[in-house]
Amino acid sequence: NAGVTQTPKFRILKIGQSMTLQCTQDMNHNYMYWYRQDPGMGLKLIYYSVGAGITDKGEVPNGYNVSRSTTEDFPLRLELAAPSQTSVYFCASSYSTGRGTEAFFGQGTRLTVV
Amino acid sequence: GENVEQHPSTLSVQEGDSAVIKCTYSDSASNYFPWYKQELGKRPQLIIDIRSNVGEKKDQRIAVTLNKTAKHFSLHITETQPEDSAVYFCAASFNDMRFGAGTRLTVKP
Repeated sequence: NAGVTQTPKFRILKIGQSMTLQCTQDMNHNYMYWYRQDPGMGLKLIYYSVGAGITDKGEVPNGYNVSRSTTEDFPLRLELAAPSQTSVYFCASSYSTGRGTEAFFGQGTRLTVV
Repeated sequence: GENVEQHPSTLSVQEGDSAVIKCTYSDSASNYFPWYKQELGKRPQLIIDIRSNVGEKKDQRIAVTLNKTAKHFSLHITETQPEDSAVYFCAASFNDMRFGAGTRLTVKP
């Protein structure tokens, strides 16, 4: 049981490049989330999904896109990378927040845009 | 959307003392309030949570209280130990999950 798996762990992008951060979970969780964490700061919600085919914006969605074609996968797409997107990105999943179950986090992807 | 405020941003205590971290939330629909601990370079990990139909929950040295009327909840750590040193985050959830800005707790031996 791997839990929440993110790839890659580290990445350096040049300004204007694009990339996809991968996130997959094997716990059959309905809810999945993407957060970014700037150095010394809290977790900001980028996008979330309550199930396959459904996605919603969080606090800081600009510059990002997501899709949820399967229960397991929730990739985050960065288009036209900017230095302001330098951050650590965490993917998380839970069975349901409404029922109050634990959200499990992936190990994070450290992204640097230069 | 939900807005979660967390105080203090830093907290330093002597080993064996108690530590209290407070959070407020804005959306009365939020019904789940977890607390996460994050050590340097690691992912956040759940330490305790509380649902909106419960006023208090305790797990060994850690307790959480919730006041729905005032929209605030607190984390209490008793008999602190150096290994409690970390950043602690509160969160409030209904459909999405929003986090406070974090509290850096330092426990001095």
